[in-house]
Amino acid sequence: GAGVSQSPSNKVTEKGKDVELRCDPISGHTALYWYRQRLGQGLEFLIYFQGNSAPDKSGLPSDRFSAERTGESVSTLTIQRTQQEDSAVYLCASSLSLSETQYFGPGTRLLVL
Amino acid sequence: AQTVTQSQPEMSVQEAETVTLSCTYDTSESDYYLFWYKQPPSRQMILVIRQEAYKQQNATENRFSVNFQKAAKSFSLKISDSQLGDAAMYFCAYEGGSGYALNFGKGTSLLVTP
Repeated sequence: GAGVSQSPSNKVTEKGKDVELRCDPISGHTALYWYRQRLGQGLEFLIYFQGNSAPDKSGLPSDRFSAERTGESVSTLTIQRTQQEDSAVYLCASSLSLSETQYFGPGTRLLVL
Repeated sequence: AQTVTQSQPEMSVQEAETVTLSCTYDTSESDYYLFWYKQPPSRQMILVIRQEAYKQQNATENRFSVNFQKAAKSFSLKISDSQLGDAAMYFCAYEGGSGYALNFGKGTSLLVTP
């Protein structure tokens, strides 16, 4: 497809388990972003990539969160030792370059029991 | 840090009528971008409209237009001829001129009644 895709669409996990969330950006988009949306809230910025470089990781909530990107394509957000407070929708966006309009994927809804 | 405030948690409009959603922001920058995104129940964030701060002319996209008041740091969205498909959460967002992250408000839930 032409848009940003994310997988899985929904993920239920047990507290303490690790999870991996995947994002496929729009082809040709060099910038990629991860956001978290807690229930009833706006989006909270987590991290961005320019190419496969992530210059600023200060938005990640804790050291249990990490993200990688392969070249200018797929990105993976990993949450280790999940906690119930990690339950949220995780949204990925991509843009042609930094400061261009961001286009969002459908998100992954994570539920930690 | 920039903050974005949407003071209306919920709004309601009748089909074919006009509604205005409010957004204010706080910044010390002179160059930045403002956005309105729509999020239907499908969760997909859809760009509605984008405004560059250096442009005085208000952006418009078909039935959607903004009232950008830079001095007042206000960026409201007007939806004309409202349709049932306009029902969704609407988020106002700010991006600094040298930045990359979007700062979002908490959203306004728009209900459209027949």
